[in-house]
Amino acid sequence: AQKITQTQPGMFVQEKEAVTLDCTYDTSDPSYGLFWYKQPSSGEMIFLIYQGSYDQQNATEGRYSLNFQKARKSANLVISASQLGDSAMYFCAMRESGSARQLTFGSGTQLTVLP
Amino acid sequence: IAGITQAPTSQILAAGRRMTLRCTQDMRHNAMYWYRQDLGLGLRLIHYSNTAGTTGKGEVPDGYSVSRANTDDFPLTLASAVPSQTSVYFCASSDSAGHPNSPLHFGNGTRLTVT
Repeated sequence: AQKITQTQPGMFVQEKEAVTLDCTYDTSDPSYGLFWYKQPSSGEMIFLIYQGSYDQQNATEGRYSLNFQKARKSANLVISASQLGDSAMYFCAMRESGSARQLTFGSGTQLTVLP
Repeated sequence: IAGITQAPTSQILAAGRRMTLRCTQDMRHNAMYWYRQDLGLGLRLIHYSNTAGTTGKGEVPDGYSVSRANTDDFPLTLASAVPSQTSVYFCASSDSAGHPNSPLHFGNGTRLTVT
């Protein structure tokens, strides 16, 4: 079974609007962390935001926020006020406490911001 | 500038040839990883190393080997390349002694084509 599922291969959003990128995960580990990365067309992997399984509040980093619904095992990324530079591939990833600290990645969502 | 350096940036390789992808980090991170990125599959872990002198297998280790003689270097070797190993390869590191929320830091990737 997939540990990280991103069901939106591609998304479009109008500039200045908000967009939500979906991520669901599967784990029986009570302690885990969820990460989002951005990969622009240049190819580098850029860390955006982190959410811990025991965190009481949803994580926020500037225009990025994480809609964490633990019971539903979802960790959706919300980008507010989209910019053209937000066009990129976005990956959700999970680290379980029992793992060798590696991240397990989803298949990604390609976001295109329209002018 | 501190970070991860991968070499080469890209390579075309004949099937059956041996190839080593190089990865060096200067952040003194204990843990290092090799991922491959394929369209529609996200990033998949090939091998990892929690500390110098130790290595482990990831999700897709067949056809690859690694070594970790020191903290800084983590080369990935394809003993006899096959076309299915055509991919973009990312080296990453993390501070395993730090908090569980420590993200992976990635190199810029090596694009490998096996013909």
